[in-house]
Amino acid sequence: KAGVTQTPRYLIKTRGQQVTLSCSPISGHRSVSWYQQTPGQGLQFLFEYFSETQRNKGNFPGRFSGRQFSNSRSEMNVSTLELGDSALYLCASSLGAGDQPQHFGDGTRLSIL
Amino acid sequence: GEDVEQSLFLSVREGDSSVINCTYTDSSSTYLYWYKQEPGAGLQLLTYIFSNMDMKQDQRLTVLLNKKDKHLSLRIADTQTGDSAIYFCAGLPGGSYIPTFGRGTSLIVHP
Repeated sequence: KAGVTQTPRYLIKTRGQQVTLSCSPISGHRSVSWYQQTPGQGLQFLFEYFSETQRNKGNFPGRFSGRQFSNSRSEMNVSTLELGDSALYLCASSLGAGDQPQHFGDGTRLSIL
Repeated sequence: GEDVEQSLFLSVREGDSSVINCTYTDSSSTYLYWYKQEPGAGLQLLTYIFSNMDMKQDQRLTVLLNKKDKHLSLRIADTQTGDSAIYFCAGLPGGSYIPTFGRGTSLIVHP
């Protein structure tokens, strides 16, 4: 069974630009969560989608948004990029019930110049 | 909300046992997880334990849960250099779909 796939693996952008990251969950998984990982803040939860609806949201500004498609694939968008958005963005998928663990992709490393 | 604390570093000699500790605050946590992150990779689920269990063993890994003290530990037997990584503890608060992660413990295994 294929794991969680995130594309692209690396991205370099400049301040003020926008970026879209993609995540394909494990087949059959309906929940997709996004996290931001930085050395200073650790792993911070962005949002979770289940069956195309945002079910949970973390404490990030509105520049961070996401969506989920009918095939459970998800995209995350960050607009008006800031230097502080440089991070590893991780996507995790699960079956969606509370007792099912999340499985992570290898992340997208975003660098802002 | 849930708070999960871990020590930042652990250094062990190859062949010894490693014990990584974690404390959490939410007594309603239903599941507790251990993940491993190697350089340049995402988090790999190692094992998890339901809150009504005290112990779970999986090959070289042993998880101990002290629910009264809200303390979780991960023991790695016969630690190898390939076990060098960051280990994350996470708790799933009752009624939530989103686990809360600790800051991670960097395990360094030296010959």
